[in-house]
Amino acid sequence: EPEVTQTPSHQVTQMGQEVILRCVPISNHLYFYWYRQILGQKVEFLVSFYNNEISEKSEIFDDQFSVERPDGSNFTLKIRSTKLEDSAMYFCASSGQGNQPQHFGDGTRLSIL
Amino acid sequence: AQTVTQSQPEMSVQEAETVTLSCTYDTSESDYYLFWYKQPPSRQMILVIRQEAYKQQNATENRFSVNFQKAAKSFSLKISDSQLGDAAMYFCAYRKNTGNQFYFGTGTSLTVIP
Repeated sequence: EPEVTQTPSHQVTQMGQEVILRCVPISNHLYFYWYRQILGQKVEFLVSFYNNEISEKSEIFDDQFSVERPDGSNFTLKIRSTKLEDSAMYFCASSGQGNQPQHFGDGTRLSIL
Repeated sequence: AQTVTQSQPEMSVQEAETVTLSCTYDTSESDYYLFWYKQPPSRQMILVIRQEAYKQQNATENRFSVNFQKAAKSFSLKISDSQLGDAAMYFCAYRKNTGNQFYFGTGTSLTVIP
C-alpha cells in the first residue's frame, strides 16, 4: 500500500538556524498537509496545500514557516529561524481529494537546541 | 470554534475483551466528518474509521465500530475482541465539510493486557 514518507526521522538544529523537513506524499494525491505535535500535546494543524498554493493555514503558521512543492514528488516545510518552542514532531499528510481521509507519514522529530 | 475532547488519557483492556474510547466535540456546523486515528509506537497515524455526520448509521470496520450521537456531539470508538496489536495512542479528529483542517483530540493511550 502506498505510504507518505518523511525525511529525516530526527532533526537536531541550533536555535536560529533554518530547517527544511521533507515529505513525499502518495503519488496520485492532490492535497498536502503539515501538522505538528508538541510532546504530550495534541496534534495541531499547520497548513494545507493544493494546486501549488496554500489553501488553509492556522495561527501557528506564521511568517517563519513556508511550504513548497519544488518538484512533482516532494512537499517541504521550511522554518526560517527556529525557536526552542518549535521542537515537536512534524507530520506530513496527503489526501486524494479534500474530503477524503488523510494519510500520514511517520513524522520528523525536530529538536531545537 | 471547533474543539475535540478526549477525556480518557489512558485506558487498558484485557486481550479479547471490548473497550470503548470516548470523544466529544463542539461545533456549530451541521455537516462534517469524524475520524479515529491510531498511532502505534512506530509513530505513523493510521486511519481506523470515519463517520459522515449526515449518516445516521454508525460506521463499522471489522472489530472497530463507533457510537455516533450527533445531538450529544459524541463519537466513541468501540474495539471488540481486543488484540495486542491494538495497543496505541488513539486520536479522535473532526473536519468540517468545507475546508481541509483536522482538529484532533489529545489522544487516549490504549494498553492491551495479555
